[in-house]
Amino acid sequence: DIQVTQSPSSLSASVGDRVTITCRTSQTINNYLNWYQQKRGKAPKLLISAASSLQSGVPSRFSGSGSGTEFTLTISSLQPEDFATYYCQQSDRAPLTFGGGTKVEIK
Amino acid sequence: EVQLVESGGALVQPGGSLRLSCAVSGFTFSNYWMSWVRQAPGKGPEWVANIKQDGGEKYYVDSVKGRFTISRDNAENSLYLQLNSLRAEDTAVYYCARDKIEGATLFDHWGQGTLVTVSS
Repeated sequence: DIQVTQSPSSLSASVGDRVTITCRTSQTINNYLNWYQQKRGKAPKLLISAASSLQSGVPSRFSGSGSGTEFTLTISSLQPEDFATYYCQQSDRAPLTFGGGTKVEIK
Repeated sequence: EVQLVESGGALVQPGGSLRLSCAVSGFTFSNYWMSWVRQAPGKGPEWVANIKQDGGEKYYVDSVKGRFTISRDNAENSLYLQLNSLRAEDTAVYYCARDKIEGATLFDHWGQGTLVTVSS
């Protein structure tokens, strides 16, 4: 199975900060890497697919990059509604696996 | 508007069975792979199973193989998950999620989830 490791597991940031979350996979995954945002009590929401493709309706302050085994999600200017937990997920091969999550909290 | 509505979650004893359902609307169900994803309390999501458009291919995470069965009814726009031989570690919110048409999986729409609690 492909292991997916996210870092950090949590971070504290202020509104307006630039935030970067890293996702590393145990094998090369051909950019089949998706990012989700989850707020308390809600289902995850797809933000970015195929490492860098922003989903329709997702603000442009979110961006994804990376290749091979290392990927990043960047929020260019953190907004109040962005405080949530973020997960990456590889879809290169079954079983599809998620990272452990990064909780973004208010400083 | 795309909608997915799960039902069937309950409190069940270890070794018991349950059938989850997911009713979908707002898109052509038969065009998409579909998945079940679960999330244990305080944990990250875990993909459980997915099924091809015609039901001809099904895949499972190892921990549920032989115990869970995914199925679909395209005429009824419904997805199902039969859970047998339930264990405490199966306790989770179970989500149905719209999967791909082709290519790599991405879960672009999710239901609200249904809670399965396995406890004596």
